[in-house]
Amino acid sequence: EIVLTQSPGTLSLSPGERATLSCRASQTVSSRHFGWYQQKPGQAPRLLIYGASSRAAGIPDRFSGSGSGTDFTLTISRLEPEDFAVYYCQQYGNSPMYSFGQGTKLEIK
Amino acid sequence: QVHLQESGPGLVKPSETLSLTCSVSRYSISSDYHWGWIRQPPGKGLEWIASIYHSDYTYYNSSLKSRLTISVDTSRNQFSLKLTSVTAADTAMYYCARAGDAENFDYWGQGTLVTVSS
Repeated sequence: EIVLTQSPGTLSLSPGERATLSCRASQTVSSRHFGWYQQKPGQAPRLLIYGASSRAAGIPDRFSGSGSGTDFTLTISRLEPEDFAVYYCQQYGNSPMYSFGQGTKLEIK
Repeated sequence: QVHLQESGPGLVKPSETLSLTCSVSRYSISSDYHWGWIRQPPGKGLEWIASIYHSDYTYYNSSLKSRLTISVDTSRNQFSLKLTSVTAADTAMYYCARAGDAENFDYWGQGTLVTVSS
């Protein structure tokens, strides 16, 4: 079973700063099928990054994704007030078919 | 823009069966893509539950598989989930979603909160 572990659990930063969120898989996953989501309170998750590094439609270019194999990173270059939320990574594979990380909460410092 | 909308009972009694339906508009679910269910217990993370493709191919989270059935009604452009023998641990927000070309969920419903309680 593939387990995704996100770090840190909580990240405290100020607007304008750079945020780096990590996701590590327990075994190699497909970069082509790796994604990142943003979730705000009371809302459904929103796809930010698909295929490890491609931005979804309408996502600002301050969001970028990178990584391969077992280590993936979501970077927000300059935090805007609306970026403070919970972020999840997700992979598609064989066991289970889809899985999510436990989430990183990005909070205002 | 593809639109998904969940429907179902907000309250289910323990040991009973939870039934949810996702209505899809602006895209025919029989055309392509995996269509799935994801849940989120209050204050916790996301858990993929089940997915379906072309009515014929079903996929389940192994931890729930014995209690799950996912199905499609192409005439209504809907897909449904049944979860039997529910307990309080099944209390969650249930989302339906489409897995896009990269098998990342690109369209989501707004979610429906299901509480298991007597």
